[in-house]
Amino acid sequence: GEDVEQSLFLSVREGDSSVINCTYTDSSSTYLYWYKQEPGAGLQLLTYIFSNMDMKQDQRLTVLLNKKDKHLSLRIADTQTGDSAIYFCADLNQAGTALIFGKGTTLSVSS
Amino acid sequence: NAGVTQTPKFQVLKTGQSMTLQCAQDMNHEYMSWYRQDPGMGLRLIHYSVGAGITDQGEVPNGYNVSRSTTEDFPLRLLSAAPSQTSVYFCASSYVVPGLSGNTIYFGEGSWLTVV
Repeated sequence: GEDVEQSLFLSVREGDSSVINCTYTDSSSTYLYWYKQEPGAGLQLLTYIFSNMDMKQDQRLTVLLNKKDKHLSLRIADTQTGDSAIYFCADLNQAGTALIFGKGTTLSVSS
Repeated sequence: NAGVTQTPKFQVLKTGQSMTLQCAQDMNHEYMSWYRQDPGMGLRLIHYSVGAGITDQGEVPNGYNVSRSTTEDFPLRLLSAAPSQTSVYFCASSYVVPGLSGNTIYFGEGSWLTVV
């Protein structure tokens, strides 16, 4: 079945760049998403990328998509302590009716 | 501008009790869904609805019922609560079925449910 995998933890220093990686199995994916969850809160959409794009940049966020390897990454430039959160990669299921989430990557930013 | 509103935020239930988690959105979204979030498991889809009167099962539907009598509301019912249903529940909505476009999927703040 469809699956999304991500590394579970990432620790960086304030000011460094963070790169969170994700792999997915569905070769027909049309949209791929990155969500952020702060402690005790819901999920906030950070960005998404359409499958015909290789890269999308939005201020400090850069999303790279390698369709051949089914690999998605989220780069956060100049990481701040406020970026500490859980980041979820998500793919649409084949029917397009729901999101399939990875288990989430916990980003810890130290000052 | 309320967005997606979930109630209650916290609830403790005894095994065997029933309850309803409420979800309402004021954005005239056709698509609504319920996910549960468990430690180390990410979010898993319970049920979803593509419009009023239409519901379908997700990945983990057992023990849960839903209905969609209006566009705005999508309640999730636990018929006989079990400790395995201890989780954080998220309601989400979007203008149309996500696969039709890259439209934003909005999430509620979550409902923390403990079954003892």
